[in-house]
Amino acid sequence: DTAVSQTPKYLVTQMGNDKSIKCEQNLGHDTMYWYKQDSKKFLKIMFSYNNKELIINETVPNRFSPKSPDKAHLNLHINSLELGDSAVYFCASSRSTDYNSPLHFGNGTRLTVT
Amino acid sequence: AQSVAQPEDQVNVAEGNPLTVKCTYSVSGNPYLFWYVQYPNRGLQFLLKYITGDNLVKGSYGFEAEFNKSQTSFHLKKPSALVSDSALYFCAVRDIGDMRFGAGTRLTVKP
Repeated sequence: DTAVSQTPKYLVTQMGNDKSIKCEQNLGHDTMYWYKQDSKKFLKIMFSYNNKELIINETVPNRFSPKSPDKAHLNLHINSLELGDSAVYFCASSRSTDYNSPLHFGNGTRLTVT
Repeated sequence: AQSVAQPEDQVNVAEGNPLTVKCTYSVSGNPYLFWYVQYPNRGLQFLLKYITGDNLVKGSYGFEAEFNKSQTSFHLKKPSALVSDSALYFCAVRDIGDMRFGAGTRLTVKP
């Protein structure tokens, strides 16, 4: 059973398009996250949701918008894609925002903008 | 803000030798430290964590980490490396609401 699943695994699109990445977790966790991993493998937090409320919003462009229909899902919608958006995007979840809760990651979505 | 640093981009060891992947931290208050591993084309997998208590923490796949408060370090160790341990390793610290990662260290274990 896949604990955190993301779709699609690969996404190739042109500049200016709008795209979405879906994420679902079946762990019963309360908090979900989106991370961006760049070409140098550096991981940056983008968003987190706790009980359907946004609790972190790092300095990402407002072209990126997280949407959470319920606590098991956190989708990422990206408007007007740019070349610099090319990266691997990881969804993750944790039991809570408690300090001792590790994150559980999906296998990532590799986004390529041409 | 809490942060961690991984001073080595790359670590190479021979199979069967002990390995160490270094991490130092900068936190205000009690540190909540983690290690994760990333295999190619996969997400990060949790290995172990330090919250409080014993300075030597044991985790998955035979890995352990030593918390050293005076040196503000949390190095990952394994007594005998396997070729299958070759991967990208991330140290992380739990901040309010999210996990902040180091830049990663690529471990290569050669047969």
